[in-house]
Amino acid sequence: QLQLQESGPGLVKPSETLSLTCSVSGGYISRSTYFWGWIRQPPGKGLEWIGSIFYSGSTNYNPSLKSRVTISVDTSKNQFSLKVNSVTAADTAVYYCATPGSLNSGGLDYWGQGTLVTVSS
Amino acid sequence: DIQLTQSPSFLSASVGDRVTITCRASQATIIYLAWYQQKPGKAPNLLIYDASTLQSGVPSRFSGSGSGTDFTLTISSLQPEDFATYYCQEVHKYPALTFGGGTRVEIK
Repeated sequence: QLQLQESGPGLVKPSETLSLTCSVSGGYISRSTYFWGWIRQPPGKGLEWIGSIFYSGSTNYNPSLKSRVTISVDTSKNQFSLKVNSVTAADTAVYYCATPGSLNSGGLDYWGQGTLVTVSS
Repeated sequence: DIQLTQSPSFLSASVGDRVTITCRASQATIIYLAWYQQKPGKAPNLLIYDASTLQSGVPSRFSGSGSGTDFTLTISSLQPEDFATYYCQEVHKYPALTFGGGTRVEIK
């Protein structure tokens, strides 16, 4: 049973870089055939896909965020990470990591609990 | 890019009601379509994947249908624990995702 856990600073200053890590247990990123993704949800609003990565490092990003986002994977630590540059208050959100797991479908069966990141000086 | 439009965005219903939520895609090139339930302060929970496959452990009162650009989530008999927000999500170019805007289901 996969378990995902987000970690990182809860407060980031405007114009700085937001950095989060998703630690995976109960399975190995290096042995997966499915993607690992980041999704965010501003307070009181809907879900927004940020980007996805495969164990190989191949990535796909939301076009609206692509210029500011980098997703990377560290298979030795069984983790994948998110960086968002030049943040503003609009980047304040709960950030989730998620994956389809063995469903190998487009549905996300495993989610982290989410971590609130606030952008404020 | 594909847009997903959910309707209604809000509905008020009673326990025992049959509830239908619609998700319409801007293009008919969807590979996967999923539905989620989200309760306040919690991560979304996968209900339906591949448009109509019920995820393990999800009550059978939930069902999904549709193809092309029009998809539906139906709750056959609304239960107290079903009051939540529901989202559709598509994949048209693996692994790029899009979410619908959400439908909040509240008690009448």
